[in-house]
Amino acid sequence: DPKIIQKPKYLVAVTGSEKILICEQYLGHNAMYWYRQSAKKPLEFMFSYSYQKLMDNQTASSRFQPQSSKKNHLDLQITALKPDDSATYFCASSQTRDRGEDTQYFGPGTRLLVL
Amino acid sequence: GDSVTQTEGQVTVSESKSLIINCTYSTTSIAYPNLFWYVRYPGEGLQLLLKVITAGQKGSSRGFEATYNKETTSFHLQKASVQESDSAVYYCALGAYYGNEKITFGAGTKLTIKP
Repeated sequence: DPKIIQKPKYLVAVTGSEKILICEQYLGHNAMYWYRQSAKKPLEFMFSYSYQKLMDNQTASSRFQPQSSKKNHLDLQITALKPDDSATYFCASSQTRDRGEDTQYFGPGTRLLVL
Repeated sequence: GDSVTQTEGQVTVSESKSLIINCTYSTTSIAYPNLFWYVRYPGEGLQLLLKVITAGQKGSSRGFEATYNKETTSFHLQKASVQESDSAVYYCALGAYYGNEKITFGAGTKLTIKP
């Protein structure tokens, strides 16, 4: 059974609209993350949350807003979508524990296309 | 800042031959980085292949090996004899001392195995 669920798998949106990307993890982890991979670019870190609190934000735009309604959820709301937002968005999670035991595990990704 | 360089974007190797995928890293903020290789098989999500958290140590998994070399700031991935099932995209990555912080990824190397 998949331990990190991302929904939807594929998403097509029009410029200017708003979408929410869903992430749920069933690993019992207390830290969650969002990364993005645009065409021909490496995966880029966006946000990290620990115990449902924002720890790090390296996204320049306020159009990207994480939402953590439950400990094992970290959704990503994107407003005023632009074609440059087209990318695959990956959710990840880890457990805050001793060094070496805190590996980040990744979900399958949501591929977003903005027209 | 932090960066990871994978010099080969694509590599083609004949089945049963040896493989090396080069990775070098640079960091100005992390004294003792963790180093990772992640892999993405066709149609699947990103999976951790191996990790090493101590300089001078070697990690191994599924026949792949990588040694953390702090002197040359390298973490090359090697395999003595590749199989067709190894075809995938391989990502070298660097993380902070404690894992619940951002991971910086290389651009990825697409490995194709010729039968």
